[in-house]
Amino acid sequence: QVQLRQSGPGLVRPSQTLSLTCAISGDSVSTNSAAWNWIRQSPSRGLEWLGRTYHRSAWYNDYAVSVRSRITINPDPSKNQVSLQLNSVTPEDTAMYYCARDGGSGLVDVWGQGTSVTVSS
Amino acid sequence: QSALTQPASVSGSPGQSITISCTGTSSDVGSYNLVSWYQQHPGKAPKLIIYEGSKRPSGVSNRFSGSKSDNTASLTISGLQAEDEADYYCSSFARSSTWLFGGGTKLTVL
Repeated sequence: QVQLRQSGPGLVRPSQTLSLTCAISGDSVSTNSAAWNWIRQSPSRGLEWLGRTYHRSAWYNDYAVSVRSRITINPDPSKNQVSLQLNSVTPEDTAMYYCARDGGSGLVDVWGQGTSVTVSS
Repeated sequence: QSALTQPASVSGSPGQSITISCTGTSSDVGSYNLVSWYQQHPGKAPKLIIYEGSKRPSGVSNRFSGSKSDNTASLTISGLQAEDEADYYCSSFARSSTWLFGGGTKLTVL
């Protein structure tokens, strides 16, 4: 049974970097049959896909246009986890953040528990 | 890239059928058979109910079905039950290898 366990701070100051980690159990971050996504949700923006990382003989990343200049998603095979970094945050980045596994073709069947992040001074 | 368009709300009585639309463009819904639908109850993470346009994950009721025509995907829920009351979101793969979500539809079971 695949489980995703998120960790990271719930409060980030404006202009700082939001950093979250998603620990994977029951699967491997290096698998060639899944992609590891970060998705956020806020009342004003609804659900928003932020990006993903996946391994297919090499590591690949895709990012949403809206955050492409500020986001980094990194796999850590040694710890079997995925991290999210979002730079230069503003209050508009306040949201519930989820990591989620895509088992292929949009089969996003496993979600982390969510991390509520507030951007405020 | 704009979000996919869904009606803000739909409603139906127990036992009835309802359909939720999800309108995109030729760059997303119209180009790929990669539309997913999610059900979300308050305070919970979204739950996948349809993927690849019409496939149901294991354990999802066959009362949920999906379809697509041109740039519009649809989710139909038949035999409405009280527990179906939730928010529903569509998602589609898009060019430049990104995923888009719809704005969400609140389903009320009368």
